[in-house]
Amino acid sequence: NAGVTQTPKFRVLKTGQSMTLLCAQDMNHEYMYWYRQDPGMGLRLIHYSVGEGTTAKGEVPDGYNVSRLKKQNFLLGLESAAPSQTSVYFCASSYGGRSSGSSYEQYFGPGTRLTVT
Amino acid sequence: QQQVKQSPQSLIVQKGGISIINCAYENTAFDYFPWYQQFPGKGPALLIAIRPDVSEKKEGRFTISFNKSAKQFSLHIMDSQPGDSATYFCAASMRTGANNLFFGTGTRLTVIP
Repeated sequence: NAGVTQTPKFRVLKTGQSMTLLCAQDMNHEYMYWYRQDPGMGLRLIHYSVGEGTTAKGEVPDGYNVSRLKKQNFLLGLESAAPSQTSVYFCASSYGGRSSGSSYEQYFGPGTRLTVT
Repeated sequence: QQQVKQSPQSLIVQKGGISIINCAYENTAFDYFPWYQQFPGKGPALLIAIRPDVSEKKEGRFTISFNKSAKQFSLHIMDSQPGDSATYFCAASMRTGANNLFFGTGTRLTVIP
């Protein structure tokens, strides 16, 4: 049971390049989340998904897109990377949400450190 | 705008001492307050959480104190150990929706032997 895994672990992009971050979970969780962590800012929610085929915006969605084609995977895309997107990106998953009546504890992956030059 | 304010930014405590981290919020729709522990190079992990219907929750050496009227909550680590050295985040979420968490800015705790 690997929990939540993220690939890649590190990446350096040039301004304007695109890339996709992959998050995978093997806990059969319905809900998945993408956060970014910046010094002095804590973690901020980018996008989330409440089930396969669904996505929704979080606090800081601009410049990112997401897809949840399979229940176990949640992809975060940067179409045209900017230096302001230099950050550590964390994926998380939970069995349910606050209104689902199920456990809503979030389990986090190890993170992807992205640098945009 | 930071919905959950956390202090201090960093904290140094002697082994065996008490570590105290404070958080405050304004949004009265928040009703779930977890604390996360993060070691370098790792993702955050849930440490302990509280709902506002109780004023205190204890799990081992970790205690959350909650003051609903003041909209403040704090984490107390008793008998702090060098292995507790990590960054701690408080967070909050609302009753409805997907449990979207609003995090504080984090406190880097160092416990010196």
